[in-house]
Amino acid sequence: KAGVTQTPRYLIKTRGQQVTLSCSPISGHRSVSWYQQTPGQGLQFLFEYFSETQRNKGNFPGRFSGRQFSNSRSEMNVSTLELGDSALYLCASSLKGRGEAFFGQGTRLTVV
Amino acid sequence: GESVGLHLPTLSVQEGDNSIINCAYSNSASDYFIWYKQESGKGPQFIIDIRSNMDKRQGQRVTVLLNKTVKHLSLQIAATQPGDSAVYFCAENIGGDDKIIFGKGTRLHILP
Repeated sequence: KAGVTQTPRYLIKTRGQQVTLSCSPISGHRSVSWYQQTPGQGLQFLFEYFSETQRNKGNFPGRFSGRQFSNSRSEMNVSTLELGDSALYLCASSLKGRGEAFFGQGTRLTVV
Repeated sequence: GESVGLHLPTLSVQEGDNSIINCAYSNSASDYFIWYKQESGKGPQFIIDIRSNMDKRQGQRVTVLLNKTVKHLSLQIAATQPGDSAVYFCAENIGGDDKIIFGKGTRLHILP
């Protein structure tokens, strides 16, 4: 079956703009989590959605938001982009929200 | 608090030897631990997991050991191969949700 799909793979934005990233989980998976990966901070948890509800949120400012649709697809949005938002954004899906999570290849966001 | 760390940022191992990657965690409430492998340009890939009611779990060429007394986790890779070159992350999961807290990662170099 198809894996986790993230689009776009690469993105370049200007400071102050906003961006929306998309994640399609594995078919049947209802839990979707988002992570930010940077060389300095490593992999940091952003938020997790299960059945369209946000269940957990990491320590990120309100500029970072997300949502999940009824088909489990998820989007995350970053408003008023800052240079420090440049990172690899990873999405992971799992069946029940516990246990083995499958990651997508990520979206590489560069803010200039 | 929630934190998972790795002892070494890099580890070099001769091809064919066994690799041992270590990780320390600080949250006594963590009840589920996972090891991920991340190759260049890819998202993290699940290797093996272990629950807190176990001390050891074996997979194909990999073994995870959990010492709850000293809050230590290790990943052993037998007969290390060139394809094992990657960054390895330990991660912890607390409670019944899908929030995974990652350590900083250890880059495994395979020497010919």
